Parts: sequence; structure tokens; C-alpha cells
Amino acid sequence: SAVISQKPSRDICQRGTSLTIQCQVDSQVTMMFWYRQQPGQSLTLIATANQGSEATYESGFVIDKFPISRPNLTFSTLTVSNMSPEDSSIYLCSVEPLSGNTIYFGEGSWLTVV
Amino acid sequence: GENVEQHPSTLSVQEGDSAVIKCTYSDSASNYFPWYKQELGKGPQLIIDIRSNVGEKKDQRIAVTLNKTAKHFSLHITETQPEDSAVYFCAASEDQAGTALIFGKGTTLSVSS
Repeated sequence: SAVISQKPSRDICQRGTSLTIQCQVDSQVTMMFWYRQQPGQSLTLIATANQGSEATYESGFVIDKFPISRPNLTFSTLTVSNMSPEDSSIYLCSVEPLSGNTIYFGEGSWLTVV
Repeated sequence: GENVEQHPSTLSVQEGDSAVIKCTYSDSASNYFPWYKQELGKGPQLIIDIRSNVGEKKDQRIAVTLNKTAKHFSLHITETQPEDSAVYFCAASEDQAGTALIFGKGTTLSVSS
């Protein structure tokens, strides 16, 4: 398995501001993904964070709103830009270890936009 | 693309009863089917998974069955306990490195003592 640390774990943000979420893994992983979970809802894939290149975004998510970085095999960031109350969600980092095709999740970053 | 349907959305059982959650998927290329448990305030935790070369897998009180012909898979929890109360998500993907999971909408399981 992999130990995944996300920061911040919770935050209350002002409308119009941006927040960067960090995801750190305790071992090298092949893939890192970012998901959004709106209140009471399921998990929706935002993008795949590619090491050393631009992230691959799912339909409905764009780089200007959710810029992603992945400088190495253990770290990624997701920025939620120009936030509105509709961005209030849990943002989850997930990883696929080098050892196999199993995906693990961090504890999530709970954002409330006021 | 893949679409995963999950039923029921809520499930209430008495302690000691069994609970069954069912999922169907649309993409015949999918061959990896994990189940996650999410407790309040926490991230999803992998509890069991199954790949298409296996029809059933069991881990203590938890089992998963897969019917590839019908494109459905189910989670079975026996002898439920109050600590089993949580939201359960099924997911599907191709069993290839780098393929993201597509999730069902979740089932809220409540186990009363």
C-alpha cells in the first residue's frame, strides 16, 4: 500500500481566492489522480497528474480552473482557482503504487468557500 | 466511456444480518472492480477488489462476486456490526496501469444494534 498525506486537511476560503492542495506519498507511484467529491455525492475524476508533463483533464474540468503539477514520482499539487461556493467539496488525491494496479486514496482536503 | 450504476442508495440492517450492494457497469473492457468504504470525515478505504479472471473473492466477513457476462458485481457483508456503518462505493476500470477508476454513486449502510 501507500501512505498518502494531503494538506490542508480542511480550509475555509473566501470567494474569488485560490488554494493549492498538496499530495505527498511515502513511496514512488506510477500514477496520481485528483478526484472531487461534492457534499453527499460520489467521486468524480478531475484529472490524471502526469509526471513531468501537463495533466490530462476529464470532460468538464479545465487547466485554468484546476492547474495541477507533478514534479516527481511522490508529489503533486492541485490548485482550485477563483473559487466560488460551488467549489465547496472534498478534493481527494489517489495513487497507484509501482507494485501493482491498486488505487489508494488520501484522507482528502475539505474545502468550504464562503 | 464507462458508467457504473450502484443500488441501493441506502440500506438499513440489524446487527448480525447480511448486507448486499450491487453494481452494474457498461464497458466490457473493464476488468478491475474494487470496493471502497468511506467513514464520515475520512477518505475512501479499499476493502476488497476483484479482477475478471476470478468469479468470487472473500476476505473474512466480506465477499465480492463478479458476473462478467451480465456486467454486474456485488459486495456481500455477513454478520454486520455497527462499525460497518459507512458509505460504500463500487468502481470499475480496465486493469491497466494508469487507468483511473469510475465510481458508482455510493450506498449508505446503517447497521443498528
